[in-house]
Amino acid sequence: DAKTTQPTSMDCAEGRAANLPCNHSTISGNEYVYWYRQIHSQGPQYIIHGLKNNETNEMASLIITEDRKSSTLILPHATLRDTAVYYCIVRVANGNKLVFGAGTILRVKS
Amino acid sequence: EAGVVQSPRYKIIEKKQPVAFWCNPISGHNTLYWYRQNLGQGPELLIRYENEEAVDDSQLPKDRFSAERLKGVDSTLKIQPAELGDSAVYLCASSSYRSSYEQYFGPGTRLTVT
Repeated sequence: DAKTTQPTSMDCAEGRAANLPCNHSTISGNEYVYWYRQIHSQGPQYIIHGLKNNETNEMASLIITEDRKSSTLILPHATLRDTAVYYCIVRVANGNKLVFGAGTILRVKS
Repeated sequence: EAGVVQSPRYKIIEKKQPVAFWCNPISGHNTLYWYRQNLGQGPELLIRYENEEAVDDSQLPKDRFSAERLKGVDSTLKIQPAELGDSAVYLCASSSYRSSYEQYFGPGTRLTVT
């Protein structure tokens, strides 16, 4: 599985959009981009995943660049409850192994 | 739908003692995972089960760690004997064939070895 690079931490004002970047320059054609988050004292939670098209669900939007070497997770209206560690993971579609890096600590502030 | 259940939530033991963690996955989920998460790091896979078969245990320290998933439902992870370096959060997760892209995690067991 390709490696990902994320900033260590980010701050966001409550109510504003949180844009979390992820670099995955060695991604292969059959690898998807997954995002999970982990709120303090809880297990990780799936957010969204995509291959090459932009994706949106009730939690977030995922924007993948045309060359697929980077992506951005967007939380459109961040709340205090979105404070968490966000993990960007790359893996093949039928691969079951999630390889977590250190992730980005997102702090949403009022 | 009930989530992944783990017990205990916290465990403090002395080194060289045995310890066991229990996991009940979401009903109908055939795949079960055990992860270990050290402080400040992301979770690391220890073992993955497809039904009752361990299909990936390459990261499981087999000299002291063991796991089982009898009847392909509940699972137990055991450490014997525990070492100071085993202090971590042990997470259980499950997924189904239909949505293998999404793993559902339990709250974890925080183990402290003194």
